[in-house]
Amino acid sequence: QSALTQPASVSGSPGQSITISCTGTTSDVGGYDFVSWYQQHPGRVPDLLIYDVTNRPSGVSDRFSGSKSGNTASLTISGLQAEDEADYYCCSYTRTGTYVFGTGTTVSVL
Amino acid sequence: QITLKEFGPTLVKPTQTLTLTCTVSGFFFSTRGVGVAWVRQPPGKALEWLGIVYWDDDKDYSPSLESRLSVTKDNSKKEVVLTLTNVDPVDTGTYFCVHRRSHRFWFDPWGQGIAVTVSS
Repeated sequence: QSALTQPASVSGSPGQSITISCTGTTSDVGGYDFVSWYQQHPGRVPDLLIYDVTNRPSGVSDRFSGSKSGNTASLTISGLQAEDEADYYCCSYTRTGTYVFGTGTTVSVL
Repeated sequence: QITLKEFGPTLVKPTQTLTLTCTVSGFFFSTRGVGVAWVRQPPGKALEWLGIVYWDDDKDYSPSLESRLSVTKDNSKKEVVLTLTNVDPVDTGTYFCVHRRSHRFWFDPWGQGIAVTVSS
């Protein structure tokens, strides 16, 4: 199975909104509402940000939101802040019972 | 509170077998639907899902590693063991064990990770 496709980098100014895409196939992203997103700051362990496409764990800012259309899931960060500078990864359950991560996106705050 | 911690060698020679142990606490392997997975990250690169073992000993592996990878658990010791045979320098990276909640499809929390280098 191939990694899900994400843009290598996305940038925005403080206060702006940015969106990170995560493109898969009907065998993973398009076939299940089991997409999760993780935030990883440099040198740190990834943290769960979104689960089941749209849900936020308790404690995660409502500036983070998820959605999905067809084979593409998206993570939107509203009101971009300096602390949002990090790497972001999507992950999907697949038809074969395995999981696959995305290629990762580095978010920069200008 | 659920915690996971990885243990094992930090340096392995090419062609050898890598064995990593994940010690868990705060949950029971006997809980229906629970799983523990392994994820790795080469230096400066993306996360890669490796495999998972479930409460009932069912297992799933990444197709790209299935021939070299084994994930097992010991309920009494509360340990999950990753075994990767015939390692190569491309297997260098940080290895994380991660918790999958009962009948859920995301991973939380993660262990702190262990950095493994494959080099002669």
